[in-house]
Formats: sequence, structure tokens, C-alpha cells
Amino acid sequence: DQQVKQNSPSLSVQEGRISILNCDYTNSMFDYFLWYKKYPAEGPTFLISISSIKDKNEDGRFTVFLNKSAKHLSLHIVPSQPGDSAVYFCAATHRAAGGTSYGKLTFGQGTILTVHP
Amino acid sequence: DTEVTQTPKHLVMGMTNKKSLKCEQHMGHRAMYWYKQKAKKPPELMFVYSYEKLSINESVPSRFSPECPNSSLLNLHLHALQPEDSALYLCASSQVQFSSYNEQFFGPGTRLTVL
Repeated sequence: DQQVKQNSPSLSVQEGRISILNCDYTNSMFDYFLWYKKYPAEGPTFLISISSIKDKNEDGRFTVFLNKSAKHLSLHIVPSQPGDSAVYFCAATHRAAGGTSYGKLTFGQGTILTVHP
Repeated sequence: DTEVTQTPKHLVMGMTNKKSLKCEQHMGHRAMYWYKQKAKKPPELMFVYSYEKLSINESVPSRFSPECPNSSLLNLHLHALQPEDSALYLCASSQVQFSSYNEQFFGPGTRLTVL
């Protein structure tokens, strides 16, 4: 049962244009969402996160949007740069019974972003 | 210092060998994690340590044995592994475990090959 899904295995974008990476989740208990970027032979690097009490969070060229009713989030990168080429993982975490967070990240399968010069 | 370091970077071992992976962080984080990542798959959680105590074991086979000697160090002892255990092993840390709002920082990983 895949609770976090990234349905696009890959995305190709021209430099300077917008990259939009999508992520869907099924577990309504998830209350915090993160995006990680991963280069080959390196560990994932934290990019940006959003709490379920917000619908948008922005950090420089990166913006994450959350649509709770649709259980959908997206990462926008504007403008895209060749150095953004990497695998992008969406991740979610949730509160355990009793109201405290579990601390466990559930990852999507990842989307390979290629930004062409 | 916002870095998680892992050694060795690469490891090749036979099925009868005993080896250890090491992870270190100096960010004052009190939660540390081991993940396993196979090619073209997302990271899978193996173990979580919170305040140097094992908090979560995701039903990992006993041939993997974690150890947290102090708040900065995390080891993963390997014994009698199988070829299917070949993967990238990632260590991560976060300020605390029981909080929705703390990001996990990952190390570069150890690429393990079991022959």
C-alpha cells in the first residue's frame, strides 16, 4: 500500500521555465510534508516543507502548494536551472495516536527532473 | 556544522564477513535513523534511535544490528548478509523524533555490495 505517490517518474524542462513536480497521498493522518532532492551517489537533501495548517510555503525559487481536500501537493521551481537536475522525493509524516508525531517519513517513489540548457 | 558523515563510502563484503557502518553528526540532534535504499526506490526506514535508545525497529532481520554509543554516533553492524542486502545505506538525524516539524538531514550514504 503506497501511501505517498509520485506518478511521474520523470520530467524534462527547459532552463528558465517552471518545473512542477506532483505528489499525492492517501493517509489523511499525514500533517507535515517535505521535499527532498537527491543527486546520484549522495544522500537526499532537504529542500522545503509545509505543515497541513498552511496551503503554501515559499523559499526562493521553490514553492510548495498543499491541497488537503485533494490530498495533493506540488513543488514549483521557478526559474529552473540545469543544477536542479536531480531526483525529487516527496515525503510525509503523521501524528501517532495521542497527538505526538511519529517521526517516520513515508517517501514517494521519486521524480527524475532534467533541466536542459 | 549541518553535516551528517558516513564511513565507509563503499563497502564490498562476503556473506560470511562481519563489518560495520558508521555515522556521525555534530548538530546536537537527539534522533538518528538508518535507511536502506535500493536503486530507483525511495529510502526505507530500518531503525530509529531517540536519545541513544532504540525507538523503532521496522522488523529488520537480525543480521543488521544497530548501536548508538553516544548522541553523535550511530553504527550499523552487519553479519552474514545476503546478496539482496546490497543497497545504499543512509543515515539521517533530526533534532528530536517526536515532532512533526523537524527535518531529517541525511548523510551521503554507504554503497554496500554483498558478494
